[in-house]
Amino acid sequence: EPEVTQTPSHQVTQMGQEVILRCVPISNHLYFYWYRQILGQKVEFLVSFYNNEISEKSEIFDDQFSVERPDGSNFTLKIRSTKLEDSAMYFCASSGPGAGNSPLHFGNGTRLTVT
Amino acid sequence: AQRVTQPEKLLSVFKGAPVELKCNYSYSGSPELFWYVQYSRQRLQLLLRHISRESIKGFTADLNKGETSFHLKKPFAQEEDSAMYYCALSGGSGGSYIPTFGRGTSLIVHP
Repeated sequence: EPEVTQTPSHQVTQMGQEVILRCVPISNHLYFYWYRQILGQKVEFLVSFYNNEISEKSEIFDDQFSVERPDGSNFTLKIRSTKLEDSAMYFCASSGPGAGNSPLHFGNGTRLTVT
Repeated sequence: AQRVTQPEKLLSVFKGAPVELKCNYSYSGSPELFWYVQYSRQRLQLLLRHISRESIKGFTADLNKGETSFHLKKPFAQEEDSAMYYCALSGGSGGSYIPTFGRGTSLIVHP
Protein backbone atom coordinates (compact mmCIF):
# COMPACT_ATOMS: atom_id res chain seq x y z
CA GLU A 1 0.00 0.00 0.00
CA PRO A 2 1.44 3.42 -0.89
CA GLU A 3 2.56 5.58 2.02
CA VAL A 4 3.48 9.17 2.72
CA THR A 5 7.16 9.36 3.56
CA GLN A 6 8.89 12.05 5.58
CA THR A 7 12.57 12.83 6.05
CA PRO A 8 14.40 13.22 8.28
CA SER A 9 12.73 11.40 11.15
CA HIS A 10 14.55 13.61 13.64
CA GLN A 11 16.11 17.03 13.12
CA VAL A 12 18.05 18.99 15.72
CA THR A 13 18.85 22.60 14.95
CA GLN A 14 19.98 25.73 16.71
CA MET A 15 17.69 28.67 17.27
CA GLY A 16 17.75 31.06 14.32
CA GLN A 17 18.73 28.42 11.78
CA GLU A 18 16.66 27.49 8.76
CA VAL A 19 15.24 23.98 8.45
CA ILE A 20 13.55 22.19 5.61
CA LEU A 21 11.30 19.25 6.32
CA ARG A 22 10.63 16.96 3.42
CA CYS A 23 7.66 14.87 2.44
CA VAL A 24 6.75 12.65 -0.47
CA PRO A 25 2.95 12.41 -0.66
CA ILE A 26 1.11 9.48 -2.21
CA SER A 27 1.57 9.86 -5.94
CA ASN A 28 -2.03 10.28 -7.12
CA HIS A 29 -3.10 12.52 -4.25
CA LEU A 30 -3.93 16.13 -4.93
CA TYR A 31 -4.22 17.73 -1.50
CA PHE A 32 -1.24 18.15 0.80
CA TYR A 33 -1.06 19.26 4.39
CA TRP A 34 1.31 20.04 7.19
CA TYR A 35 0.28 19.60 10.80
CA ARG A 36 2.34 19.88 13.95
CA GLN A 37 2.05 18.49 17.45
CA ILE A 38 3.88 20.09 20.32
CA LEU A 39 4.64 17.52 23.01
CA GLY A 40 1.54 16.81 25.08
CA GLN A 41 -0.70 19.02 22.97
CA LYS A 42 -3.15 18.54 20.14
CA VAL A 43 -2.41 17.98 16.48
CA GLU A 44 -2.61 21.49 14.94
CA PHE A 45 -3.22 22.39 11.32
CA LEU A 46 -0.55 24.54 9.68
CA VAL A 47 -1.24 24.68 5.95
CA SER A 48 -2.91 22.95 3.04
CA PHE A 49 -1.74 22.97 -0.56
CA TYR A 50 -3.70 22.24 -3.71
CA ASN A 51 -3.09 22.90 -7.37
CA ASN A 52 0.38 24.29 -6.64
CA GLU A 53 -0.70 26.92 -4.19
CA ILE A 54 -1.65 27.34 -0.56
CA SER A 55 -5.37 26.77 -0.17
CA GLU A 56 -5.66 27.42 3.56
CA LYS A 57 -3.33 28.28 6.39
CA SER A 58 -3.68 28.73 10.12
CA GLU A 59 -2.56 31.59 12.35
CA ILE A 60 0.49 29.51 13.27
CA PHE A 61 1.69 29.60 9.65
CA ASP A 62 3.29 33.05 9.74
CA ASP A 63 5.99 34.59 7.55
CA GLN A 64 8.60 32.27 9.05
CA PHE A 65 6.98 29.32 7.32
CA SER A 66 6.77 28.47 3.66
CA VAL A 67 5.84 25.43 1.61
CA GLU A 68 6.91 24.30 -1.79
CA ARG A 69 6.36 21.50 -4.24
CA PRO A 70 9.63 21.85 -6.10
CA ASP A 71 9.55 18.90 -8.44
CA GLY A 72 6.10 17.33 -8.64
CA SER A 73 6.81 14.68 -6.02
CA ASN A 74 8.32 16.36 -2.96
CA PHE A 75 6.40 18.69 -0.66
CA THR A 76 8.56 20.71 1.71
CA LEU A 77 8.02 22.85 4.77
CA LYS A 78 10.64 25.50 5.44
CA ILE A 79 11.05 27.34 8.69
CA ARG A 80 13.20 30.37 7.98
CA SER A 81 14.54 31.21 11.43
CA THR A 82 13.65 28.61 14.01
CA LYS A 83 12.53 29.49 17.53
CA LEU A 84 12.52 27.30 20.61
CA GLU A 85 8.73 27.08 20.43
CA ASP A 86 8.96 25.51 16.97
CA SER A 87 10.09 22.28 18.63
CA ALA A 88 7.39 19.78 17.78
CA MET A 89 6.48 16.75 15.73
CA TYR A 90 5.65 17.82 12.18
CA PHE A 91 3.32 15.62 10.18
CA CYS A 92 2.83 15.71 6.45
CA ALA A 93 -0.41 14.31 5.03
CA SER A 94 -2.04 13.91 1.67
CA SER A 95 -5.54 13.12 0.46
CA GLY A 96 -7.48 12.66 -2.74
CA PRO A 97 -7.70 12.26 -5.63
CA GLY A 98 -11.37 12.64 -4.70
CA ALA A 99 -12.97 15.56 -2.92
CA GLY A 100 -11.17 17.50 -0.22
CA ASN A 101 -13.05 15.58 2.45
CA SER A 102 -11.19 12.38 1.64
CA PRO A 103 -9.42 10.94 4.70
CA LEU A 104 -5.88 12.04 5.31
CA HIS A 105 -2.91 9.72 4.91
CA PHE A 106 -0.14 10.72 7.28
CA GLY A 107 3.59 10.29 7.22
CA ASN A 108 5.53 9.10 10.26
CA GLY A 109 6.46 12.63 11.18
CA THR A 110 9.67 14.59 11.70
CA ARG A 111 10.60 15.41 15.26
CA LEU A 112 12.13 18.89 15.24
CA THR A 113 14.17 19.93 18.25
CA VAL A 114 15.33 23.54 18.42
CA THR A 115 18.08 24.21 20.96
CA ALA B 1 -15.34 27.87 13.77
CA GLN B 2 -14.69 24.14 14.03
CA ARG B 3 -13.78 22.72 17.40
CA VAL B 4 -13.31 19.18 18.67
CA THR B 5 -13.20 18.31 22.35
CA GLN B 6 -11.91 15.05 23.74
CA PRO B 7 -12.39 15.45 27.48
CA GLU B 8 -10.26 12.51 28.57
CA LYS B 9 -6.48 12.56 28.12
CA LEU B 10 -6.19 9.01 29.38
CA LEU B 11 -8.56 6.07 29.56
CA SER B 12 -7.40 2.92 31.30
CA VAL B 13 -9.43 -0.32 31.18
CA PHE B 14 -8.95 -4.05 31.58
CA LYS B 15 -9.11 -6.48 28.70
CA GLY B 16 -12.70 -7.47 27.96
CA ALA B 17 -14.21 -4.32 29.44
CA PRO B 18 -16.32 -1.96 27.34
CA VAL B 19 -14.67 1.18 26.06
CA GLU B 20 -16.11 4.57 25.19
CA LEU B 21 -13.86 7.39 24.04
CA LYS B 22 -15.73 10.64 24.09
CA CYS B 23 -15.74 13.27 21.38
CA ASN B 24 -17.83 16.41 21.24
CA TYR B 25 -17.73 18.95 18.47
CA SER B 26 -18.76 22.46 17.68
CA TYR B 27 -19.69 23.30 14.12
CA SER B 28 -22.54 25.32 12.66
CA GLY B 29 -23.05 23.26 9.50
CA SER B 30 -23.14 19.56 8.69
CA PRO B 31 -19.80 18.10 9.71
CA GLU B 32 -17.91 15.04 8.66
CA LEU B 33 -16.45 13.22 11.62
CA PHE B 34 -13.51 10.86 11.73
CA TRP B 35 -11.59 8.81 14.26
CA TYR B 36 -7.87 8.43 13.69
CA VAL B 37 -5.63 6.07 15.66
CA GLN B 38 -1.90 6.06 16.33
CA TYR B 39 -0.43 2.80 17.61
CA SER B 40 2.95 2.85 19.31
CA ARG B 41 5.70 3.79 16.83
CA GLN B 42 3.26 3.89 13.93
CA ARG B 43 1.79 6.71 11.90
CA LEU B 44 -1.55 8.35 12.47
CA GLN B 45 -4.11 6.46 10.42
CA LEU B 46 -7.82 6.57 9.76
CA LEU B 47 -9.87 4.22 11.93
CA LEU B 48 -13.35 5.10 10.77
CA ARG B 49 -15.53 7.90 9.43
CA HIS B 50 -19.15 8.52 10.22
CA ILE B 51 -20.42 8.45 6.65
CA SER B 52 -19.14 4.89 6.22
CA ARG B 53 -21.27 3.61 9.11
CA GLU B 54 -19.00 0.60 9.45
CA SER B 55 -17.34 -1.24 12.31
CA ILE B 56 -13.56 -1.37 12.18
CA LYS B 57 -11.65 -3.67 14.56
CA GLY B 58 -14.87 -3.91 16.60
CA PHE B 59 -15.11 -0.12 17.03
CA THR B 60 -18.21 1.86 16.11
CA ALA B 61 -19.09 5.52 16.35
CA ASP B 62 -22.46 7.16 15.86
CA LEU B 63 -22.89 10.79 15.02
CA ASN B 64 -25.40 12.35 17.42
CA LYS B 65 -26.25 15.77 16.06
CA GLY B 66 -28.53 16.59 19.00
CA GLU B 67 -25.70 16.10 21.48
CA THR B 68 -22.98 17.13 18.95
CA SER B 69 -21.08 13.99 19.81
CA PHE B 70 -19.23 11.24 17.99
CA HIS B 71 -18.16 8.84 20.72
CA LEU B 72 -16.08 5.81 19.84
CA LYS B 73 -17.20 2.54 21.37
CA LYS B 74 -16.10 -1.05 21.60
CA PRO B 75 -17.92 -3.64 23.69
CA PHE B 76 -14.86 -5.72 24.63
CA ALA B 77 -11.45 -4.06 24.65
CA GLN B 78 -8.34 -5.97 23.58
CA GLU B 79 -4.73 -5.29 24.58
CA GLU B 80 -3.89 -4.44 20.96
CA ASP B 81 -6.37 -1.56 21.11
CA SER B 82 -3.91 0.37 23.28
CA ALA B 83 -3.12 3.52 21.28
CA MET B 84 -3.76 7.24 20.95
CA TYR B 85 -7.16 8.03 19.48
CA TYR B 86 -7.94 11.32 17.81
CA CYS B 87 -11.36 12.58 16.86
CA ALA B 88 -11.41 14.91 13.86
CA LEU B 89 -13.96 17.07 12.13
CA SER B 90 -14.08 18.59 8.71
CA GLY B 91 -16.75 20.83 7.28
CA GLY B 92 -19.24 19.34 4.91
CA SER B 93 -20.58 21.11 1.86
CA GLY B 94 -19.78 24.81 2.07
CA GLY B 95 -17.37 24.41 4.97
CA SER B 96 -13.64 24.00 5.28
CA TYR B 97 -12.54 20.51 4.44
CA ILE B 98 -9.42 20.89 6.56
CA PRO B 99 -9.73 18.41 9.44
CA THR B 100 -9.59 19.85 12.93
CA PHE B 101 -8.27 17.40 15.50
CA GLY B 102 -9.03 16.94 19.15
CA ARG B 103 -6.14 16.65 21.61
CA GLY B 104 -6.37 12.87 21.65
CA THR B 105 -7.16 10.23 24.23
CA SER B 106 -4.62 7.64 25.22
CA LEU B 107 -6.29 4.26 25.65
CA ILE B 108 -4.46 1.69 27.75
CA VAL B 109 -5.88 -1.81 27.90
CA HIS B 110 -4.44 -3.90 30.71
CA PRO B 111 -4.24 -7.70 30.52
